[in-house]
Amino acid sequence: EAQVTQNPRYLITVTGKKLTVTCSQNMNHEYMSWYRQDPGLGLRQIYYSMNVEVTDKGDVPEGYKVSRKEKRNFPLILESPSPNQTSLYFCASSRGGNNEQFFGPGTRLTVL
Amino acid sequence: LAKTTQPISMDSYEGQEVNITCSHNNIATNDYITWYQQFPSQGPRFIIQGYKTKVTNEVASLFIPADRKSSTLSLPRVSLSDTAVYYCLVGAPVVGGGNKLTFGTGTQLKVEL
Repeated sequence: EAQVTQNPRYLITVTGKKLTVTCSQNMNHEYMSWYRQDPGLGLRQIYYSMNVEVTDKGDVPEGYKVSRKEKRNFPLILESPSPNQTSLYFCASSRGGNNEQFFGPGTRLTVL
Repeated sequence: LAKTTQPISMDSYEGQEVNITCSHNNIATNDYITWYQQFPSQGPRFIIQGYKTKVTNEVASLFIPADRKSSTLSLPRVSLSDTAVYYCLVGAPVVGGGNKLTFGTGTQLKVEL
């Protein structure tokens, strides 16, 4: 089954404690993205990757890092989380650009 | 990047046709228009994509005028299960590449009995 998986689905952490949210897709897609979703603000792209070792900033990259060492994986790293990063995070993949994006189930992060 | 503008919310009743319009005044020549549906606490789901005129699939139609500065998603005979947020997205479908994508705030559609 074609899918995008994210782990963990729920996470409560404290300010400053580094964390990683994993994302994996099994569709051999080149393009992968991370989005955050906050009430009233819609979906905002954090980072995207056009292929292995090729990443670029989206609209809200501050406080986040990403890496793309393998085509199927695109982890999101928060080196020093802060409460304003409390949000619902989605990973997505597609063949490229504005082609149909397949979204993961989401990760709800709370930073205390 | 083409910025999109949609109504924040819309209300409808079961069985009616719903039309949601998206404005994208600075759409580029290579850009396509894509619509997604999102239910609470789920990832968005692709509905339909088009470049010009009219596109229809089993769930919706997409109308794009000649100047392509706006588009209208049409949902025929909505039901309660169509209550969701609908996003319009504009960008080039570059296979193997791509740029930043900006979703916007979406339109909350509420369908009542």
